[in-house]
Amino acid sequence: QQPVQSPQAVILREGEDAVINCSSSKALYSVHWYRQKHGEAPVFLMILLKGGEQKGHEKISASFNEKKQQSSLYLTASQLSYSGTYFCGTEKKKNRDDKIIFGKGTRLHILP
Amino acid sequence: NAGVTQTPKFQVLKTGQSMTLQCAQDMNHEYMSWYRQDPGMGLRLIHYSVGAGITDQGEVPNGYNVSRSTTEDFPLRLLSAAPSQTSVYFCASSYSFENTEAFFGQGTRLTVV
Repeated sequence: QQPVQSPQAVILREGEDAVINCSSSKALYSVHWYRQKHGEAPVFLMILLKGGEQKGHEKISASFNEKKQQSSLYLTASQLSYSGTYFCGTEKKKNRDDKIIFGKGTRLHILP
Repeated sequence: NAGVTQTPKFQVLKTGQSMTLQCAQDMNHEYMSWYRQDPGMGLRLIHYSVGAGITDQGEVPNGYNVSRSTTEDFPLRLLSAAPSQTSVYFCASSYSFENTEAFFGQGTRLTVV
């Protein structure tokens, strides 16, 4: 079951803020965020774990509401380099045979 | 370090042909996986492996086989290519299954005609 991301796409001017949401119908153990620029591979941004631990990016923040099975990625004072497609990936349990399932992505375009 | 290396970068196949997409990593990562990316569909998991000799199915495994005989390599085999398998394929690896960063290869763009 793919997590659901919203919005599907957003256009901002440089310096504006953006919030990208990710929700799941199942209980989650962790949420991963990646960014992909056109024609390139996805690149890791951060991981949020059940219990509040967060690992990742110094300039981008995120939250993880375990009870609602939701995560939000916050891009503040956006820069042109933030343009790309953002994917959230979710894991339901902490064990060896779990896997990361990604959402369909949110396209972000930053205008100068 | 080369990271995650996928070959080939581009491939055109005829319907019914078989081929193997190669994926190798030099980071001694336990966990490797294959995703396909189609417009509007995001990254969908095909198969994954939590270590040498261990593989499992993802969301869309039909028409694909994998094996993991070494830690470094995780090839993806298309048994009989179909136009529906036209896609961009990404291989990824991470140090362990437990909440670590995944590194992606540069992708293989496959067209089945």
